[in-house]
Amino acid sequence: GAGVSQSPSNKVTEKGKDVELRCDPISGHTALYWYRQSLGQGLEFLIYFQGNSAPDKSGLPSDRFSAERTGGSVSTLTIQRTQQEDSAVYLCASSSGPKQYFGPGTRLTVL
Amino acid sequence: QQQVKQSPQSLIVQKGGIPIINCAYENTAFDYFPWYQQFPGKGPALLIAIRPDVSEKKEGRFTISFNKSAKQFSLHIMDSQPGDSATYFCAASMESGGSNYKLTFGKGTLLTVNP
Repeated sequence: GAGVSQSPSNKVTEKGKDVELRCDPISGHTALYWYRQSLGQGLEFLIYFQGNSAPDKSGLPSDRFSAERTGGSVSTLTIQRTQQEDSAVYLCASSSGPKQYFGPGTRLTVL
Repeated sequence: QQQVKQSPQSLIVQKGGIPIINCAYENTAFDYFPWYQQFPGKGPALLIAIRPDVSEKKEGRFTISFNKSAKQFSLHIMDSQPGDSATYFCAASMESGGSNYKLTFGKGTLLTVNP
C-alpha cells in the first residue's frame, strides 16, 4: 500500500515569505506527527495530531509555525515570515500505535 | 537537555563485520525504543523496536540489546553489507496523553560498510 507522502520534495524561498508543506499520511492512521531534521539539532518533534486535533504543539519553535489537519487525513505545516534558521528537512510521520512511518520529507531552503 | 545520547557519531566496518551502536536514555518513563535507518534524501525507516520488558530482540540481521537498569540499549548488525551503509537513529517514546508517542531521537550514527 501507499506510504506517507509529502510535497513539495524541495522548496526554496526568500527570507520573509510564507511557505506551506503538505503531508498525506497512510490511510487509516489517526495519529500524525511533524518533525524537523537539521544538521545542528538532529531530529526534533514539532507537533502531534490525533484526528483533526493537535493536543501537543510543544515542539513548535515559534508562533510563526502552525499546522492543521483536515478530514483526519492531510496535514499542512505553515511557516510564516521564514527565516534562514528555518532551513531544514521537515518530516511527517503517521501511526496507529507507537510505530511511526515517515515520509520522504520536504527540504526547505530559506535564502 | 539531551534525553537520548547516541554513540559513536560515525563507524566504519568491513563487510561481514558486526557494527554496534549504543544509546543511553535518562527518562525512566520511556517504554518504547525504536531504531531507524535513513539513507541520503530519504525519510527514516523503522528497522526494529523493543519494549523494556525484554532484554533482546532479533529481526533478521538486526538485534537490539536492552539493559533497563543501566538505561542503555544498543543495535547490532550481523554480517554487515555495503548496502547497510546509512545513518542510524535510536529513539525513545512513551504514551503521553491521547495516544501521543512522540519520539525523542539520538543524534545519529553514520555507518559505512566497506566491501
